[in-house]
Amino acid sequence: DTEVTQTPKHLVMGMTNKKSLKCEQHMGHRAMYWYKQKAKKPPELMFVYSYEKLSINESVPSRFSPECPNSSLLNLHLHALQPEDSALYLCASSQDRPSKSYEQYFGPGTRLTVT
Amino acid sequence: GQNIDQPTEMTATEGAIVQINCTYQTSGFNGLFWYQQHAGEAPTFLSYNVLDGLEEKGRFSSFLSRSKGYSYLLLKELQMKDSASYLCAVRRDDSWGKLQFGAGTQVVVTP
Repeated sequence: DTEVTQTPKHLVMGMTNKKSLKCEQHMGHRAMYWYKQKAKKPPELMFVYSYEKLSINESVPSRFSPECPNSSLLNLHLHALQPEDSALYLCASSQDRPSKSYEQYFGPGTRLTVT
Repeated sequence: GQNIDQPTEMTATEGAIVQINCTYQTSGFNGLFWYQQHAGEAPTFLSYNVLDGLEEKGRFSSFLSRSKGYSYLLLKELQMKDSASYLCAVRRDDSWGKLQFGAGTQVVVTP
């Protein structure tokens, strides 16, 4: 199983809503990532969890709150988002810390629209 | 910081060869990845280079010259399904090895 799954595939939310994005992998990977990707732009790193601990936060606004309940699951809690937060949110995982020589496996993404 | 440059778009005919160049300027380098991304889908891993030279994997090959800050991805025997964005990503030489992605090259394969 070399798959990273993400739910939901599409999400439309208002600026006052609270929602969560979910990511799961069963490859035994110990590093998991959240990226944000706007149309025709490259993915931008948001957070990295390594061995279930938050290792990197790329100065992401607090309206995005990551959570890693266990080594297979990664959540992104959303609250009071802005329309400019509309994007494709990608989850990825790798076998070990990003500094090791392991490629990242990406999930299909959640297409988020904030109205 | 890092600057990663790749062409915005390339068009080629089915069966042809296309070479996508990527140049980078970085304060620390620990490997270069190429990913393929179809519209609306997740990026998928194609290749990884950390030493100078050519890595061949089927129809796809990737080359790296660290002294020149240069890499290319070579796509041979192009197929229609190769129409996608190709992302060059550099891993930093720090304790976390974060990936910095280029803007991507959109390859359009025509019949």
